[in-house]
Amino acid sequence: GIQVEQSPPDLILQEGANSTLRCNFSDSVNNLQWFHQNPWGQLINLFYIPSGTKQNGRLSATTVATERYSLLYISSSQTTDSGVYFCAVVPNTNAGKSTFGDGTTLTVKP
Amino acid sequence: GAGVSQTPSNKVTEKGKYVELRCDPISGHTALYWYRQSLGQGPEFLIYFQGTGAADDSGLPNDRFFAVRPEGSVSTLKIQRTERGDSAVYLCASSFRPPSGGANTEAFFGQGTRLTVV
Repeated sequence: GIQVEQSPPDLILQEGANSTLRCNFSDSVNNLQWFHQNPWGQLINLFYIPSGTKQNGRLSATTVATERYSLLYISSSQTTDSGVYFCAVVPNTNAGKSTFGDGTTLTVKP
Repeated sequence: GAGVSQTPSNKVTEKGKYVELRCDPISGHTALYWYRQSLGQGPEFLIYFQGTGAADDSGLPNDRFFAVRPEGSVSTLKIQRTERGDSAVYLCASSFRPPSGGANTEAFFGQGTRLTVV
């Protein structure tokens, strides 16, 4: 099946810093989502971005489907940004089965 | 409802018992997914429904696990003869598949059911 790799696995930032999280995948996809899992375990939707670039406040994401990667940018980080960020992809060969990466654990210090 | 609802939020059961976990998807969503998440890992796919039928159950770990969605809305994940290794957070998600076909749209997750087998 499709492989999803996220990097870095862990990231520690000072409040106000910027960061880039990466998601590489091994096959063509027709769906890609970024999630933030909060300390209570809830998966919060950040972006639905199978291709192109989107922005939402301090967050933006870019997916280059032809090169099989996606990037999540966090600017002016805040302590509430802490948590685990997951990338999930659906391959072209299977309309429903999402495969998640192992996540990037972000800690933002005040 | 406004979001995906899962009940119970927590379930503690004894080894060998039977459990049922319920998922109520977003109204109008045709696709429903079950995932399992262990500590420190990403969610792992279990099964995917399109309407009432299981379109892909390749992630179910063994025949103790079974899921149904009889009316194309609410789904129940059933686990027989529970084992301590089944302890995890079970997540449900739903999305919409356009009538014209193609990829399912953005998936939304419930808050999960934390299952503990003692």
